[in-house]
Amino acid sequence: LAKTTQPISMDSYEGQEVNITCSHNNIATNDYITWYQQFPSQGPRFIIQGYKTKVTNEVASLFIPADRKSSTLSLPRVSLSDTAVYYCLVGDTGRRALTFGSGTRLQVQP
Amino acid sequence: DTGVSQDPRHKITKRGQNVTFRCDPISEHNRLYWYRQTLGQGPEFLTYFQNEAQLEKSRLLSDRFSAERPKGSFSTLEIQRTEQGDSAMYLCASSLRGGIEETQYFGPGTRLLVL
Repeated sequence: LAKTTQPISMDSYEGQEVNITCSHNNIATNDYITWYQQFPSQGPRFIIQGYKTKVTNEVASLFIPADRKSSTLSLPRVSLSDTAVYYCLVGDTGRRALTFGSGTRLQVQP
Repeated sequence: DTGVSQDPRHKITKRGQNVTFRCDPISEHNRLYWYRQTLGQGPEFLTYFQNEAQLEKSRLLSDRFSAERPKGSFSTLEIQRTEQGDSAMYLCASSLRGGIEETQYFGPGTRLLVL
């Protein structure tokens, strides 16, 4: 399983763009990159998933360089409600068990 | 609400008691997963079902734990002879086999406290 490394915590202010980078040096050819968001006392919520280049949805963008050894989750114009833990996961979508790390705790200040 | 639901949301029990949690997946999802999450850590995989068949179990799932999904719809997770170390959030997720990217959707979790 490809191991991921992401910052333990990040701070930002409302209205700023936040970029969270995840390293996954031993990502395999069949692996996808998936990001989840989790609020306290709630289950993780799927944010975005990608394989290469750039993926964008109504919530975030995911940037993946050509070597795929890292990825960056971009949250545009964050608000206080974006304060949460963000998890980067790497794995084959055919693999059943998701492997979560400790995530990045994002704190958005007013 | 058509998301994954879990019941109860909170459970307090005394050491040695048995507890059972229920998970109702998204209706058309044929895969169902159980995870456990302790404070400050990410969720850890416990087991997974495809329809009614339990296809994978983690080493974390000791003999005191049993999960069922009798009709391929809802699932139950039972913990017998609970220990204080079982205190955690128990999360259920579901996905659709063959669905786009097989995204797992999580329920709100059941928080267990063993006294």
